[in-house]
Amino acid sequence: AQSVTQLGSHVSVSEGALVLLRCNYSSSVPPYLFWYVQYPNQGLQLLLKYTSAATLVKGINGFEAEFKKSETSFHLTKPSAHMSDAAEYFCAVSDTNTGFQKLVFGTGTRLLVSP
Amino acid sequence: DAGVTQSPTHLIKTRGQQVTLRCSPISGHKSVSWYQQVLGQGPQFIFQYYEKEERGRGNFPDRFSARQFPNYSSELNVNALLLGDSALYLCASSLRANEQFFGPGTRLTVL
Repeated sequence: AQSVTQLGSHVSVSEGALVLLRCNYSSSVPPYLFWYVQYPNQGLQLLLKYTSAATLVKGINGFEAEFKKSETSFHLTKPSAHMSDAAEYFCAVSDTNTGFQKLVFGTGTRLLVSP
Repeated sequence: DAGVTQSPTHLIKTRGQQVTLRCSPISGHKSVSWYQQVLGQGPQFIFQYYEKEERGRGNFPDRFSARQFPNYSSELNVNALLLGDSALYLCASSLRANEQFFGPGTRLTVL
């Protein structure tokens, strides 16, 4: 079954610094991969998705992620962090082995941004 | 267009009670999925419905059930509530595969 692993439950950066959130996937078939963001007491908002087109995917709010098959990774980056980026970030893989699509999420990474 | 809506926003129940959570998908979306997010964890898949039929079910006990109505809205029911059922319940709707849009969730607290 497909799965994702997010390395680091918390990541702290200074405002203006590079953001790097790590995600590795396990999949027996070409995966569909997603990054979602969750602000406190809110639902999930889709940041970006990889669906086997371009390996470098650009999302909203200046985020992007690169699909690397050789490393089974889909890390999320942003060149310059803003205070408003502080939130929980989830990597997810689409599991279609069962004949329908469900999302399998990682455990999340909390991004802390300091002034 | 309105996004996915869920009601109620918050709910407090006691052990052994039953609860019904509601979800309205984005207009035109025929598929609805339910996820449970326990504090500090990622969401876990519970159910998916498409055109009023159950397409898939996650690893949850039979106390959890759901249904989808002709207007594609959906209800999630949980019977005989346990303390461990306390969580944020998320509903997601989709028009096509590989694109799920989430609602704000219902925060269920079981005392």
